Amino acid sequence: GAVVSQHPSWVICKSGTSVKIECRSLDFQATTMFWYRQFPKQSLMLMATSNEGSKATYEQGVEKDKFLINHASLTLSTLTVTSAHPEDSSFYICSARDELGDTHFSNEQFFGPGTRLTVL
Amino acid sequence: GEDVEQSLFLSVREGDSSVINCTYTDSSSTYLYWYKQEPGAGLQLLTYIFSNMDMKQDQRLTVLLNKKDKHLSLRIADTQTGDSAIYFCAESGVRNFNKFYFGSGTKLNVKP
Repeated sequence: GAVVSQHPSWVICKSGTSVKIECRSLDFQATTMFWYRQFPKQSLMLMATSNEGSKATYEQGVEKDKFLINHASLTLSTLTVTSAHPEDSSFYICSARDELGDTHFSNEQFFGPGTRLTVL
Repeated sequence: GEDVEQSLFLSVREGDSSVINCTYTDSSSTYLYWYKQEPGAGLQLLTYIFSNMDMKQDQRLTVLLNKKDKHLSLRIADTQTGDSAIYFCAESGVRNFNKFYFGSGTKLNVKP
């Protein structure tokens, strides 16, 4: 149980276009999901916390107008990279907490496999 | 901000023990975690330790926490080729236990 999927797994786009990445909790509900960005050989950096039915909370230095987050249901959060530029190329990873589950550590975050974004 | 550091690579022979080290700076860390990332897969929680513990053992995994030195280690006994992956340590603090700070990951290569 507690599987998180992401779609697409990789995407290549032209500079100036927008790209939407989906994060789904497949077998549990998640009121809170998290979006991370990972550069090569670097750690995951938390970008924002996605809250179901309300606005996302962005970390300092992350442009909320650039990285639009929508968490419209208990199983889906989307990250849209608007007007993408080459410097936005990165590996984007989402995670979710199974807040209602009672079979594992309550603070565990379940991670998706990531989306590789390349902006030409 | 909080800083979590790890060495980038570790190479061991199958059957040997592996020790992956991590240092962190936030003295208010509440939980410390070890995650494993295999190619094409998401991060998988291996184990975690609460900050008031010194050691935690789970089958082949032993976590040691030296809170004074802010040093965390993961020991994998009898390392197998299937243990080859990237291992991330992470911490979350009392102020916001949802906010994880990750190290850069240690790539473990297990040679047969």
